[in-house]
Amino acid sequence: QVQLVQSAAEVKKPGASVTISCKVSGYTFTDYYVHWMRQAPGQGLEWMGVINPRGDKTVYAQKFQGRVIVTRDTSTATVYMDLTSLTPEDTAVYYCAPERPKTYVFDFWGQGTLVSVSS
Amino acid sequence: QSALTQPASVSGSPGQSITISCTGASNDVGSYNRISWYRQDPGKAPKLIIYEVNKRPSGVSYRFSGSKSGNTASLTISGLQAEDEADYYCCSFTNTYTYVFGIGTKVTVL
Repeated sequence: QVQLVQSAAEVKKPGASVTISCKVSGYTFTDYYVHWMRQAPGQGLEWMGVINPRGDKTVYAQKFQGRVIVTRDTSTATVYMDLTSLTPEDTAVYYCAPERPKTYVFDFWGQGTLVSVSS
Repeated sequence: QSALTQPASVSGSPGQSITISCTGASNDVGSYNRISWYRQDPGKAPKLIIYEVNKRPSGVSYRFSGSKSGNTASLTISGLQAEDEADYYCCSFTNTYTYVFGIGTKVTVL
């Protein structure tokens, strides 16, 4: 079955960067896009970006353009999300979720990674 | 891209039906049937309950249904049960090949 295992929680200072990983299993890695979402404490879900592991193409939400980079390592079936220039407003749980191409839904979600940004 | 508009909270008594609206714009909800709904329990990851406006994944109760008119999508929960208490989010594909979520609705069973 599809499984997504995300990296552990992180604590960062303002201005720092964070890298979160999402290791997938249970399906052919290059067959699914992988999306990243986040949820600040007590707030709603926010879509951040997506990568097509087959060709490495990415699309990002305008809000995060220039601050987020999503990459993949096909040898380890892992997707990475780098977020730079962190502020306290980036404190959130970050989720990865695969999408079977052109289905436009997120059937499975990672367990979430809490990133806390504080001085 | 602004978040889709949902009521902050909706409540109902057991057995009643409730409807959660999700209002977007012509470049997202109004343009596509790529509307999905997710349920989220506290401390848990979201779970897909409706996709393509009105389709239910396997295992999701028939009490959940979806619809769309113009720039507004809706989720209806019929025969409300205590176990339906959760946060519900709509999500739409957009004309810039991105996605946008609703602000979320807390459902309370009285």
